[in-house]
Amino acid sequence: GAVVSQHPSRVICKSGTSVKIECRSLDFQATTMFWYRQFPKQSLMLMATSNEGSKATYEQGVEKDKFLINHASLTLSTLTVTSAHPEDSSFYICSAQRIRPGHDNSPLHFGNGTRLTVT
Amino acid sequence: TQLLEQSPQFLSIQEGENLTVYCNSSSVFSSLQWYRQEPGEGPVLLVTVVTGGEVKKLKRLTFQFGDARKDSSLHITAAQPGDTGLYLCAGARNYGGSQGNLIFGKGTKLSVKP
Repeated sequence: GAVVSQHPSRVICKSGTSVKIECRSLDFQATTMFWYRQFPKQSLMLMATSNEGSKATYEQGVEKDKFLINHASLTLSTLTVTSAHPEDSSFYICSAQRIRPGHDNSPLHFGNGTRLTVT
Repeated sequence: TQLLEQSPQFLSIQEGENLTVYCNSSSVFSSLQWYRQEPGEGPVLLVTVVTGGEVKKLKRLTFQFGDARKDSSLHITAAQPGDTGLYLCAGARNYGGSQGNLIFGKGTKLSVKP
């Protein structure tokens, strides 16, 4: 089946540094990928929609200059947390939609998430 | 703002018991999905319901979409320890095409004790 790979699974960085998280669709092309953030005991909150070849669409309240998204190819989207602060510590999850022509819905496949800890 | 209220938040039961998890909203969704998430991993899709009143079964799990497409339920029969996990409902905001604009409920953390 379809698989979405997210890397790294865990990262610890110092305050003020930048961290890049990769999301790859391994056996299908994804023109659209999504980035979510999940705080402890909270649900997933959509941060932004990553569109291949164009600018990402950010949800209200998400700083586009802080969370840089690049979707350079049909199988790779990256999220860069710039000038990270301890409050950015969270679980970041990506998903990619596998388009199935002729079907009523095209399922989302989620990565295994990245646990970011900013010290 | 569309919200999905999921209940209960926590559920601890004995093996063999039945349980129901509810997902409610005042908004209409084009479809609703149920996921299961293990600690430190991403959610895994269990089912998508699209039509009002639709019922889908996945072994011991029964999913129902409300007639008005505003609510859904997940019923597990004869729960087993392997059912332990975080169950999330998610409503799709867009009709057709991209379903990535999902609104997630806060989840139900289920613990099934042997």
